[in-house]
Amino acid sequence: GAVVSQHPSWVICKSGTSVKIECRSLDFQATTMFWYRQFPKQSLMLMATSNEGSKATYEQGVEKDKFLINHASLTLSTLTVTSAHPEDSSFYICSARDLARPTFSEQFFGPGTRLTVL
Amino acid sequence: KQEVTQIPAALSVPEGENLVLNCSFTDSAIYNLQWFRQDPGKGLTSLLLIQSSQREQTSGRLNASLDKSSGRSTLYIAASQPGDSATYLCAVTFLSGGGADGLTFGKGTHLIIQP
Repeated sequence: GAVVSQHPSWVICKSGTSVKIECRSLDFQATTMFWYRQFPKQSLMLMATSNEGSKATYEQGVEKDKFLINHASLTLSTLTVTSAHPEDSSFYICSARDLARPTFSEQFFGPGTRLTVL
Repeated sequence: KQEVTQIPAALSVPEGENLVLNCSFTDSAIYNLQWFRQDPGKGLTSLLLIQSSQREQTSGRLNASLDKSSGRSTLYIAASQPGDSATYLCAVTFLSGGGADGLTFGKGTHLIIQP
């Protein structure tokens, strides 16, 4: 149980285009999902907290107009990188919490999406 | 600023050795601490979760301890195997957000087990 999927697993796009990444909780409902970013040889950094039915909360330094987050259902959150540039190239990973578990604060991670902007 | 630090940054040991990875955090007010494994180019595999009220958790050859008052956690790996080679990440949920915050990650320990 507690499986999280991401799609696509990798994407290459041209500078200036927008890219959408999906994060799904496959066997549980997730009222809260998190989006992280990992640059090469760096650790994961929290970008934003996505809450079902409400606006996302962004970490300091993350542009909300550039990284659009939609959490329209209890099993799906999407991250759209708008007008992507080469500096946005990174590994994007989502996580979700299963509130039905006793360890409800435990986060389960997706496999990640590698974005390369040319 | 709440930070998580991991020592050492890299470690290479012969197969069969027992080893300890260290994690420290700047704020003792935590909700929980998780240890993850990350293989190159891959996502995260959760290894152990320790709630703030717990002192340790065990899973197979892995044992994680938590000393909240001193802001430290250790991951003990017994009888290491080449398949244990990976980057090990320590991550903390700090209490300031009521457990609702995301995780703060350390930079990881890159572990190589020599056959």
